[in-house]
Amino acid sequence: EPEVTQTPSHQVTQMGQEVILRCVPISNHLYFYWYRQILGQKVEFLVSFYNNEISEKSEIFDDQFSVERPDGSNFTLKIRSTKLEDSAMYFCASTVQSEKLFFGSGTQLSVL
Amino acid sequence: DQQVKQNSPSLSVQEGRISILNCDYTNSMFDYFLWYKKYPAEGPTFLISISSIKDKNEDGRFTVFLNKSAKHLSLHIVPSQPGDSAVYFCAASGGYGNKLVFGAGTILRVKS
Repeated sequence: EPEVTQTPSHQVTQMGQEVILRCVPISNHLYFYWYRQILGQKVEFLVSFYNNEISEKSEIFDDQFSVERPDGSNFTLKIRSTKLEDSAMYFCASTVQSEKLFFGSGTQLSVL
Repeated sequence: DQQVKQNSPSLSVQEGRISILNCDYTNSMFDYFLWYKKYPAEGPTFLISISSIKDKNEDGRFTVFLNKSAKHLSLHIVPSQPGDSAVYFCAASGGYGNKLVFGAGTILRVKS
């Protein structure tokens, strides 16, 4: 069964450094998302992406965040200057044209 | 902004009995509701969904009930099995392409 793939599974970085989280959505999907879950908290929406542009973003998704679909298969989340509070599990999700989202296994980001 | 609420942080059930997980929502624009199951260090996995035009959807041991007037939905698992032990998230959507809004989750423990 096709699945959403995320790399790396764990990322440790120093505060102020840039990180790029990578995702390969399911191949025929059209809508792409990033969510995050801080330990012990709910899964929070960050951004949605369709037709090569952001369709919606949350207030968490400030100027430090950006997304890109550089080559038609990868979907990346960049955090320009990481903060301690960016430490979380980041999930990529995709869907073809449905309310049902398929999630990747996540990238655990630890900012020291 | 708690548009989707799961008021029970945890539930413990004996193997073979029924598990009932509850969810309330406040936004009348939601028209599709989903339940996701999540194990530690993994992404949410789709379990079952229901459209707002229905009041019940069944898939094997899992049934979701929707009461639109009360803005309430529930997930019934019968019979419960130890492998069902996980965190269950209720999520709501305003239609395909829109973000999912998640509840805080309920930890289900099924005791053998």
